[in-house]
Amino acid sequence: AQTVTQSQPEMSVQEAETVTLSCTYDTSESDYYLFWYKQPPSRQMILVIRQEAYKQQNATENRFSVNFQKAAKSFSLKISDSQLGDAAMYFCVFTSGTYKYIFGTGTRLKVLA
Amino acid sequence: DAGITQSPRHKVTETGTPVTLRCHQTENHRYMYWYRQDPGHGLRLIHYSYGVKDTDKGEVSDGYSVSRSKTEDFLLTLESATSSQTSVYFCAISEPPRYNEQFFGPGTRLTVL
Repeated sequence: AQTVTQSQPEMSVQEAETVTLSCTYDTSESDYYLFWYKQPPSRQMILVIRQEAYKQQNATENRFSVNFQKAAKSFSLKISDSQLGDAAMYFCVFTSGTYKYIFGTGTRLKVLA
Repeated sequence: DAGITQSPRHKVTETGTPVTLRCHQTENHRYMYWYRQDPGHGLRLIHYSYGVKDTDKGEVSDGYSVSRSKTEDFLLTLESATSSQTSVYFCAISEPPRYNEQFFGPGTRLTVL
């Protein structure tokens, strides 16, 4: 069975600093997609970044980047120059491209002014 | 933003009453999903649909039913609400392989007294 593990229930970062959120997954598939979603207090689920497994290059979106290690089945999210608006719950999500999406349990990020 | 709405956004009801939540999309995506979100569990799939009148169960489907009579609408029904169904419910859509990420509605907070 496919699983997604986020081992850090909560993390804190100083404003303007860099923080890395961890995610590991387990699958026997070779083709799949990974995502990070952000859920601020408004509850809205917002897609932060996506990574296709067949792409070796790590995805980046402005201040957000990932470290995708396919052999290690690791997919961490790095947030640079953290801002107060980055405070949220972050979910790591896996799909092999079918209807099934596997969610991690989330990491709550606090940003300290 | 993807055009996904959920109604109602908040509902308080009593144990034993029927409840229907509605999800409406304007994106013409084939797949639609209902999830529940509870602390410590991430998002768990209740039911999903892969086309009009085509639905299937997720991992936590007991006590829930769904219907999809039109591409744009996906209804979730609690036939007889219980306190254990107090949760936040999210609708999501996807259109693999063109859009492998899911787009989420704003969520519905349901309280069963």
